[in-house]
Amino acid sequence: SQQGEEDPQALSIQEGENATMNCSYKTSINNLQWYRQNSGRGLVHLILIRSNEREKHSGRLRVTLDTSKKSSSLLITASRAADTASYFCATALNSGNTPLVFGKGTRLSVIA
Amino acid sequence: DAGVIQSPRHEVTEMGQEVTLRCKPISGHNSLFWYRQTMMRGLELLIYFNNNVPIDDSGMPEDRFSAKMPNASFSTLKIQPSEPRDSAVYFCASRLIAGGADTQYFGPGTRLTVL
Repeated sequence: SQQGEEDPQALSIQEGENATMNCSYKTSINNLQWYRQNSGRGLVHLILIRSNEREKHSGRLRVTLDTSKKSSSLLITASRAADTASYFCATALNSGNTPLVFGKGTRLSVIA
Repeated sequence: DAGVIQSPRHEVTEMGQEVTLRCKPISGHNSLFWYRQTMMRGLELLIYFNNNVPIDDSGMPEDRFSAKMPNASFSTLKIQPSEPRDSAVYFCASRLIAGGADTQYFGPGTRLTVL
C-alpha cells in the first residue's frame, strides 16, 4: 500500500521562485525522508526529519513535519534550473531495518 | 566510495531469455533492496535483505523473478523467462542506519527492455 502521497504530481515554476511540495502519510512514523531523482538516475537522499522534529533546514531546503496531520512539506527556495527533478517522500515506520515506503513523487520543472 | 554499483546499465533482450541484474552495495551497509520503476506503477519494492538474508519478497511479481545475496558485497536479481511487461528500470539500494542517521543509497539503475 502507498504510505506517502506527494502533492502536486507536477509543478512548473520560474527560476528564482520557491517550490513547495507536500507529502501525506497514513500511519505513525519514526522519520520521514525526502529524495530527489534526476532523469535517468537513481534517487538521492536530501534530508531526514524525525518524528519529534517539526522543521529542518539544509541549504536551500526547508522541511516541515506535522505529525498530527500526518503531513510534511519540502520547500526549495530560490529555485534553479538544476533543481528540475522528481522529488519523493519516504517514511520509515520504525527505527529498524523495515523498508522505507516511497510515494509516487512530484515532478518539478524549473524554467530558466 | 564508489557508491552502489549496478550492472549492466542497459539490457536489451528478447522475450523468453534469462536476464541477470547485478548489484554491489556500499561496504558496511547491512540492508539491500531491489526496486522496479515504471511510469505506470512508480517505484515498487521487489525484495529486501538484512545481513544477506531475504526478509520479504512479497513484492516479487511472479515466480519468474528470483534474487540472491550470497555475501555482503553482491546480489543478483534474475528474471527467467523474461517478458515484455518486465521492461522497466531496476534499482538496487543499500541502507545505513547508524548514529541517528538513516540514509538509503541508490545505484544508477539497470534499464531493461524486453522485446
